[in-house]
Amino acid sequence: GENVEQHPSTLSVQEGDSAVIKCTYSDSASNYFPWYKQELGKRPQLIIDIRSNVGEKKDQRIAVTLNKTAKHFSLHITETQPEDSAVYFCAARFMNSGGYQKVTFGIGTKLQVIP
Amino acid sequence: DAMVIQNPRYQVTQFGKPVTLSCSQTLNHNVMYWYQQKSSQAPKLLFHYYDKDFNNEADTPDNFQSRRPNTSFCFLDIRSPGLGDAAMYLCATSREWSGTGVNEQFFGPGTRLTVL
Repeated sequence: GENVEQHPSTLSVQEGDSAVIKCTYSDSASNYFPWYKQELGKRPQLIIDIRSNVGEKKDQRIAVTLNKTAKHFSLHITETQPEDSAVYFCAARFMNSGGYQKVTFGIGTKLQVIP
Repeated sequence: DAMVIQNPRYQVTQFGKPVTLSCSQTLNHNVMYWYQQKSSQAPKLLFHYYDKDFNNEADTPDNFQSRRPNTSFCFLDIRSPGLGDAAMYLCATSREWSGTGVNEQFFGPGTRLTVL
């Protein structure tokens, strides 16, 4: 099955600085990589995703890069704001032995933006 | 507009007393998932339905069961809750088809289960 490793587990940055969270995956057949933001006590919400046929995607202050050869992908948040403080999960989608698409999550990164 | 609805939002049960959590969706998605999320951990997939096809994760305890009577509704039954089953239970949906179909998962707000 798929194994997704995520680091760091915690990250503190000053407001206005950039934050980078990195993930690696094991199954080269994985083809979809979403990033979720989860605020305390709330549901995970998709903030950006990337498919395996794309190397980079950007949405305002958020960008994701994918290196298929190295099997890693990263989330970049620029000009961080206090409201960016949350837990961020990366995930990878792959086909399991039963023929079903499955999403495996990383352990999460707790981001704290210090005003 | 709520798209994935979970009821109740908070559930308290006693050790060993069966409990059912419900999820409904207005997205007409063909796949519905149940995740268990414990404090400071990633969501852990318990099982999912692909249309009517049930797909159980290998490490999901037999204590956890699920039903999907129609496209819109899915239930999580915990037959004999233990203290270790206290967690947030998240329902999610997605539209899946072969090839490169849209695969975003939409999560419900979750049900926080407390076991006394």
